[in-house]
Amino acid sequence: AQSVAQPEDQVNVAEGNPLTVKCTYSVSGNPYLFWYVQYPNRGLQFLLKYITGDNLVKGSYGFEAEFNKSQTSFHLKKPSALVSDSALYFCAVRGLQQAGTALIFGKGTTLSVSS
Amino acid sequence: GAVVSQHPSWVICKSGTSVKIECRSLDFQATTMFWYRQFPKQSLMLMATSNEGSKATYEQGVEKDKFLINHASLTLSTLTVTSAHPEDSSFYICSAKDRVNSPLHFGNGTRLTVT
Repeated sequence: AQSVAQPEDQVNVAEGNPLTVKCTYSVSGNPYLFWYVQYPNRGLQFLLKYITGDNLVKGSYGFEAEFNKSQTSFHLKKPSALVSDSALYFCAVRGLQQAGTALIFGKGTTLSVSS
Repeated sequence: GAVVSQHPSWVICKSGTSVKIECRSLDFQATTMFWYRQFPKQSLMLMATSNEGSKATYEQGVEKDKFLINHASLTLSTLTVTSAHPEDSSFYICSAKDRVNSPLHFGNGTRLTVT
């Protein structure tokens, strides 16, 4: 069965500091991994995805994520956090060969960036 | 870019009434759309996969007679919450993708409150 774990309910960082939001996954075969961000009472906005290729994926708003196959992780990172990055972040996965299936989401991590 | 429009963004209804939520792909055709439900401070729970021209596939535990899904065209899927009860109050989000391996594009969600 496919699953995603986001071990932290909340991550607090000071503005200007680097941030990391953790995600580990379990999927049959090769994974297709995503990060989404959600602002209050809004849908999800796509940040970045990993299919194949470079393990470091760059996405929107200066975010990047590193795919680590041996650790089955796909942590979201940003070198310098902004207050406006404060939001709810979701990691999601599906099997790469399961094109018609929905994404499985982690429980979400609330990022709070203080000024 | 691909846009998914969801309407209404919020609705308040009385217990026992039915509510219809529309999900439209504005600039692409979506043979498959997905309906998620999100509880406060929780992850997205996949409710059903909506396939154009055929019956929806419901996840275990989701009542298909209560949550009616119709995918009548390549750009429109509807979710009808029938005989709504207060416990149906939630945030409902639809999503679709424009290509096989593209990210999911999400609507902005519908906040349903049943009184």
